Amino acid sequence: GAVVSQHPSRVICKSGTSVKIECRSLDFQATTMFWYRQFPKKSLMLMATSNEGSKATYEQGVEKDKFLINHASLTLSTLTVTSAHPEDSSFYICSARRRINEQFFGPGTRLTVL
Amino acid sequence: AQSVTQPDIHITVSEGASLELRCNYSYGATPYLFWYVQSPGQGLQLLLKYFSGDTLVQGIKGFEAEFKRSQSSFNLRKPSVHWSDAAEYFCAVVIISNFGNEKLTFGTGTRLTIIP
Repeated sequence: GAVVSQHPSRVICKSGTSVKIECRSLDFQATTMFWYRQFPKKSLMLMATSNEGSKATYEQGVEKDKFLINHASLTLSTLTVTSAHPEDSSFYICSARRRINEQFFGPGTRLTVL
Repeated sequence: AQSVTQPDIHITVSEGASLELRCNYSYGATPYLFWYVQSPGQGLQLLLKYFSGDTLVQGIKGFEAEFKRSQSSFNLRKPSVHWSDAAEYFCAVVIISNFGNEKLTFGTGTRLTIIP
């Protein structure tokens, strides 16, 4: 199967700082990647759809100025949590779409904001 | 609104026993349905999917699921579970977003515990 990596797997940062999370499709090109957020004992919630070479589309209620998404190449999308606050602490998961209705998921990044 | 419901938050099953995880969906059109498994430290892995055709779908690791339109259900089954099946299981449905992309909507998940 296709492989999607995320880096870092865990990050702890101070309140007010920014954190960048990388999502890479290792063995296929992905024009579309997705970013999800998962709260403890909760489902995955789609935050935004990242399209290579164009602006990301954000789901309702997701602050685009806080969660900056860049999809600069066909194998890399980044999510930057700006001016992080403790309530941003969560598990962030990306996926890369190889073809329609076929997504492969990264292992996730645990963000803790102190 | 489109949604996916997994009524069971946590299920405990003895090793070797059969398993059924429930999933109900609400979607106006013919749904594209998925079951994923999430293990600690690993990404979501696709177990199986249903798009059309035979309503009984075979997946990996010995799992199967049956699509029942009349009941709006897509329950996951396994005849004999193994200790390695302990994980979180998510049912999901694809909808087309306002921007034309397919969008996976997940259920809240069912945590499966296996006891000896």
